[in-house]
Amino acid sequence: NAGVTQTPKFQVLKTGQSMTLQCAQDMNHEYMSWYRQDPGMGLRLIHYSVGAGITDQGEVPNGYNVSRSTTEDFPLRLLSAAPSQTSVYFCASSYRGNEQFFGPGTRLTVL
Amino acid sequence: SQQGEEDPQALSIQEGENATMNCSYKTSINNLQWYRQNSGRGLVHLILIRSNEREKHSGRLRVTLDTSKKSSSLLITASRAADTASYFCAVMNYGGSQGNLIFGKGTKLSVKP
Repeated sequence: NAGVTQTPKFQVLKTGQSMTLQCAQDMNHEYMSWYRQDPGMGLRLIHYSVGAGITDQGEVPNGYNVSRSTTEDFPLRLLSAAPSQTSVYFCASSYRGNEQFFGPGTRLTVL
Repeated sequence: SQQGEEDPQALSIQEGENATMNCSYKTSINNLQWYRQNSGRGLVHLILIRSNEREKHSGRLRVTLDTSKKSSSLLITASRAADTASYFCAVMNYGGSQGNLIFGKGTKLSVKP
């Protein structure tokens, strides 16, 4: 099992550009989440999904979109990148809210 | 807003000593989980304790939960340099969105050889 994979590992964007962070898991987990981690802030939930076709907002959803067309994939879209979105982004999956398995993260810089 | 709040924010100890980290939260929970993050890496799940449990052990880890005080503690016994990492507690609210964990800001543990 590859577990949770994220691409890319690093990305630099200019203000106003859009992009999609990819997340995939091969554990058949229903639950998937996106977090951002900023220095001194811990992890904050952006969006989450409890199954294919079902998504909901977390604590900091503004500026991000998600969709869940399959159990395996949960991409995160930045609509118009802003410097405030410079962060490390983690995707995670779990079986019914038990232990979460995290991907290695995507380090995003917005200039 | 963040639910779990860890204390202390940073902890520095010598190898062989015990390390204790505390977590406080605000509302009723379904379970509380502890995670570890090595610098620049993703988080790794350590232990989950349910709201009806008071103590759990896993190797050198001991977690306690006091729902009346809305607090939990993580004890690492006989610490090693390899335990150097940040430790986060995360709570799943009772009746809240399933699978929705709220993380604290973490305790940065440094174990000196």
